[in-house]
Amino acid sequence: KQEVTQIPAALSVPEGENLVLNCSFTDSAIYNLQWFRQDPGKGLTSLLLIQSSQREQTSGRLNASLDKSSGRSTLYIAASQPGDSATYLCAVHNAGNMLTFGGGTRLMVKP
Amino acid sequence: EPEVTQTPSHQVTQMGQEVILRCVPISNHLYFYWYRQILGQKVEFLVSFYNNEISEKSEIFDDQFSVERPDGSNFTLKIRSTKLEDSAMYFCASRDTVNTEAFFGQGTRLTVV
Repeated sequence: KQEVTQIPAALSVPEGENLVLNCSFTDSAIYNLQWFRQDPGKGLTSLLLIQSSQREQTSGRLNASLDKSSGRSTLYIAASQPGDSATYLCAVHNAGNMLTFGGGTRLMVKP
Repeated sequence: EPEVTQTPSHQVTQMGQEVILRCVPISNHLYFYWYRQILGQKVEFLVSFYNNEISEKSEIFDDQFSVERPDGSNFTLKIRSTKLEDSAMYFCASRDTVNTEAFFGQGTRLTVV
């Protein structure tokens, strides 16, 4: 059974810092991995999708990498802003046509 | 930009009552899902739906749950006899093919009292 873990659970940084969020998964037989943002009490906003054959994807200040063989993905956020404050979730798409989610990293960017 | 729409945003119901949560997936998408998130816990898969039938379901999705696509646009989740532990945020999601980006709605917060 796929297990997804995100470290750290919470992170507080001053504005302008570059930061890295980590995601690990136990079963490397995945189709793709997706990063989401969740604001308190709100839905999930898709940030990036990395296919299993890809090593990284970029969107604006976000860069996500994938190392399937070691079961790891990182989300790099450059020049963080207070508006980046949210919970970031990683989710793995594996056999069974479902996403398995990590517990999230709660990010606070202080002005 | 196309989006997944869920109604209502918040529903309060008495234990034992039936509830129907509604979703309008993105129009050209073929795969539909329901997930739930109990407060403070991980987002959990409930069920996937393709070609007018359930393709996968989790252990959570027992006989109290059912899904339906009654017409070409709506996708519903019914809970027949709600329990206190059904209180959660329920998310609908859709994707156009099995290997592409999944898009989620804003969720329905279900409170069972």
